[in-house]
Amino acid sequence: AQSVTQLDSQVPVFEEAPVELRCNYSSSVSVYLFWYVQYPNQGLQLLLKYLSGSTLVKGINGFEAEFNKSQTSFHLRKPSVHISDTAEYFCAVSDRAGGSYIPTFGRGTSLIVHP
Amino acid sequence: DAGVTQSPTHLIKTRGQQVTLRCSPKSGHDTVSWYQQALGQGPQFIFQYYEEEERQRGNFPDRFSGHQYPNYSSELNVNALLLGDSALYLCASSLEEGTDTQYFGPGTRLTVL
Repeated sequence: AQSVTQLDSQVPVFEEAPVELRCNYSSSVSVYLFWYVQYPNQGLQLLLKYLSGSTLVKGINGFEAEFNKSQTSFHLRKPSVHISDTAEYFCAVSDRAGGSYIPTFGRGTSLIVHP
Repeated sequence: DAGVTQSPTHLIKTRGQQVTLRCSPKSGHDTVSWYQQALGQGPQFIFQYYEEEERQRGNFPDRFSGHQYPNYSSELNVNALLLGDSALYLCASSLEEGTDTQYFGPGTRLTVL
């Protein structure tokens, strides 16, 4: 069984400051990793994904994440945030061996960007 | 190109009633997955449909059932509603080949009183 822990339920930050949203996962097999964003009253949008290859993954809206197998982490970063980045962010993991891509989601981190 | 659409947007039911939620996948997608997102939680996988059959199922009781039509649209049915069924229900579509990328709809907010 796999699980995801998002270490911060809420992250307040000022506009143009850097931000890191933390995600740790637990799995007995190799995994695929995802970050999704959910704006108020909307569905989830894929920010980026790690399937294989380079451990540094770049996504949309200037976000990037680094897969660290030894620390079982997949932290999301952005060097300079905007007010429009205020949203809920979800980390997710799926089982590579199963090949089904059905993700297990974390509980989410609320990013709040202040002017 | 229309994305994933869901109807209705909001729904209010009482305990014991039955509800049907609907989803139209993104154009060209043949696989539909349903998720339940309780308040303050991440989405939880309910089941996935491909070729009109339930392909995978999460840890949800039989009160939750679904259907997929030949045009790939899908329904989620919940019988004997409980207060704990109140949640945002999300539909996601993907291609059977390359299902790593799921496209989510805006969801249906179900409130059970």
